[in-house]
Amino acid sequence: ETGVTQTPRHLVMGMTNKKSLKCEQHLGHNAMYWYKQSAKKPLELMFVYSLEERVENNSVPSRFSPECPNSSHLFLHLHTLQPEDSALYLCASSQPGTGQNEQFFGPGTRLTVL
Amino acid sequence: RKEVEQDPGPFNVPEGATVAFNCTYSNSASQSFFWYRQDCRKEPKLLMSVYSSGNEDGRFTAQLNRASQYISLLIRDSKLSDSATYLCVVSERGYNKLIFGAGTRLAVHP
Repeated sequence: ETGVTQTPRHLVMGMTNKKSLKCEQHLGHNAMYWYKQSAKKPLELMFVYSLEERVENNSVPSRFSPECPNSSHLFLHLHTLQPEDSALYLCASSQPGTGQNEQFFGPGTRLTVL
Repeated sequence: RKEVEQDPGPFNVPEGATVAFNCTYSNSASQSFFWYRQDCRKEPKLLMSVYSSGNEDGRFTAQLNRASQYISLLIRDSKLSDSATYLCVVSERGYNKLIFGAGTRLAVHP
């Protein structure tokens, strides 16, 4: 399925690096999300964008910086991360207001911070 | 208290078995309920929505008890391909935010 794509699929970075994760959705949705999934923990919602405006920031450290240039694209800019930030980062999209809250997920970026 | 609680498992069952998963949620304002499935090292995918009257999709039956804030998923005639982690998910009315449980792992063996 190619509804929601994410790049890169794997990323290894040092604590002083700057990198960006990219998400693109081809479903015509107007809401996009970033989640973090650590081992044996529930998915944690990080950011929500609706109509390209950030509507939720779940107390995420400033070393994570989201960007939503249009309704199809979402970025997560990373800088000076910590080893505990190593996790699977999932992007999702949905179409609110249709009565369905289903979110469609991308395959994720598996991030390792050394 | 966790917002959505699930037994982490694993549930190890033989093919053909019936298995049931339970989930409780803490926010009584929750209005939408789902079961997602997540295969190893893959993204979550919607398995089924859960409606107040209960609903069935083939071998899968979901039930909701609003009074007890309890959701269940029943899988009949388990297949090897059912092996995955099952995520209980809730959201509030008109709100995009989904709250995920940590998941229940199911392993179906021959």
